[in-house]
Order: sequence, then structure tokens, then C-alpha cells
Amino acid sequence: DVQMTQSPSYLAASPGESVSISCKASKSISTYLAWYQEKPGKANKLLIYSGSTLQSGTPSRFSGSGSGTDFTLTIRSLEPEDFTVYYCQHYNEYPLTFGSGTKLEIK
Amino acid sequence: EVQLQESGPGLVKPSQSLSLTCSVTGYSITSNYWGWIRKFPGNKMEWMGYISYSGSTSYNPSLKSRISITRDTSKNQFFLQLNSVTTEDTATYYCARCRWYLFPFDYWGQGVMVTVSS
Repeated sequence: DVQMTQSPSYLAASPGESVSISCKASKSISTYLAWYQEKPGKANKLLIYSGSTLQSGTPSRFSGSGSGTDFTLTIRSLEPEDFTVYYCQHYNEYPLTFGSGTKLEIK
Repeated sequence: EVQLQESGPGLVKPSQSLSLTCSVTGYSITSNYWGWIRKFPGNKMEWMGYISYSGSTSYNPSLKSRISITRDTSKNQFFLQLNSVTTEDTATYYCARCRWYLFPFDYWGQGVMVTVSS
């Protein structure tokens, strides 16, 4: 199975700042990498797929980069609604696997 | 818009079977791929398996022969059965849609928490 190592687990920032979350795959997954946003009581939201393509409805302050084994989710000019949990997930092969999640908190 | 809603018992006894339903509205399950994912306490997420538009299935090898995913196209529902559960199967269970084979999940249910305890 492809292991996804996501870091950091916790991240504190202030509204208006920019943050980055890393996701590393144990082997090359090309660009078959998705980022999700999790909020309590709501369905998980697909933010980015193919490593860098924004899903319809994702604000442009979100961006993704990377290929192969190293990927990054960047959120610029943080808004209050961005402070929640984020996961990466590969879909290069089955079984699909997820990163361990990053909780973004308000500083 | 595609909407998914999980339902089922919130408490299951060890050694019994866990059975969940995913009710889909706004889209037919005879298209695309429909999966189950779970999140354990501590936030680890695990893909469990899928059922395709044609009814074919694929499962995570970690679940071996304990898992079965079926569907009722007349009700636009698909189902998860997990046999011989233990306390380690305590998790929040989600159903979700993939547009195609090896695609990301673009629609998710809100999840249902299932506790395995005697």
C-alpha cells in the first residue's frame, strides 16, 4: 500500500496569513493526489484533485502543487472558515490511502 | 445536486455484523463508483471498498473476507456489511462517490458513528 505522510498534524495561524501543508507518498503517485476539507456536521469537501486542479467551488486562495511523492496544499489569506481539518488522499492505485490529517487552528 | 446519507445502528456488539445503508439522491447509483470510507478515533481514515455502476466490487485487502458491499438500484441505495466486528471497528463511517475508477471522492455523506461494544 502507498503510505501517505501528512504534516504538520497541527498548525496555528492568524486570519490573513498563509499556510502550507505537506503530504508525502511512499512511492510515486504521479499527480493522483486529492485534498479534502473536513468540517463538523458537514460532508467532506473535495478541494483539489490531480495535485493542483481546483474543484469547482473551491476559492482561489487554495492551491496545490507537487508530483511524484511530494505535494503541498497552500492556503493564502486565511479566512475564518478555513480553520478546520484537511486531509490528503492518493488515488494512483487501490487500496486508496489517506494522510493523517492536519488541524488548522486560529492563533 | 448529489446527496448521500448514511444510516444504521450506532451500537453493535462484538462478533456481530455491522450493517449500514447509504441513500443517494440527485444521481443514479447505476452510474459512477460508490464507496465506503471510515475514520477511526484519532482521525486515521481508511478506504473500505466500492461498488461500481455495474455492480462490481473492490475491497481493501485489510478487511479480507469480512466486508460486503451491495446495492438496491430500485431504491438508489448501497449497503455496507462488515462481519465479525471488534472494538477496533469503532469508527465514523462515510459513503462517497467517485466519478470513475481511480478518481477522488467528489461527494460525501456526513458520516455515521458506529461503536462496537458489549
